[in-house]
Amino acid sequence: DGGITQSPKYLFRKEGQNVTLSCEQNLNHDAMYWYRQDPGQGLRLIYYSQIVNDFQKGDIAEGYSVSREKKESFPLTVTSAQKNPTAFYLCASSIGLAGAGTDTQYFGPGTRLTVL
Amino acid sequence: QQQVKQSPQSLIVQKGGISIINCAYENTAFDYFPWYQQFPGKGPALLIAIRPDVSEKKEGRFTISFNKSAKQFSLHIMDSQPGDSATYFCAASKSSYKLIFGSGTRLLVRP
Repeated sequence: DGGITQSPKYLFRKEGQNVTLSCEQNLNHDAMYWYRQDPGQGLRLIYYSQIVNDFQKGDIAEGYSVSREKKESFPLTVTSAQKNPTAFYLCASSIGLAGAGTDTQYFGPGTRLTVL
Repeated sequence: QQQVKQSPQSLIVQKGGISIINCAYENTAFDYFPWYQQFPGKGPALLIAIRPDVSEKKEGRFTISFNKSAKQFSLHIMDSQPGDSATYFCAASKSSYKLIFGSGTRLLVRP
């Protein structure tokens, strides 16, 4: 089955700790994304990557870091610098090439992070 | 210019009724308008999408209406069912990788 997996489903962290959220896809997509979802605010883009070893800041990148060493993997680290990290984090991917039909983003099931 | 404004924030519809969710955008360069459906605790899933060369697209009970001159698009759910109860997001992009999402509409369909 092709798809996007995120782990863990629930994550608890103490204040001041860094934590890494996993995202893996076997869709052979070039582009991958991380979003943050808060109640009533829709999805906000944290980081995105169009190709291996390259990534760009989204709208709310402060306090987060990413890496893209493999095509199928795009882990997100929530650092202690993120002031309000409790949220639902969603990973997505898309084919990645410009043109019709390639804009569709497919989402993983999400990770709910709670800072204690 | 990058915003997509979605309304209403929440919507309650009786079973069998029509659910209508509206979105408006400013950036005329946007050329792809998808709608996503999200159930609680799950990731969003693409429901239906439209490009500005057509004014309407229908897939089963779901229809997107697109008004290019007004810079608005809407989702119509015909014969709404309790199983349609979810949060719906509109989005827009301009042939890039970045989707701009609306703030979401929580739909409740009463039996």
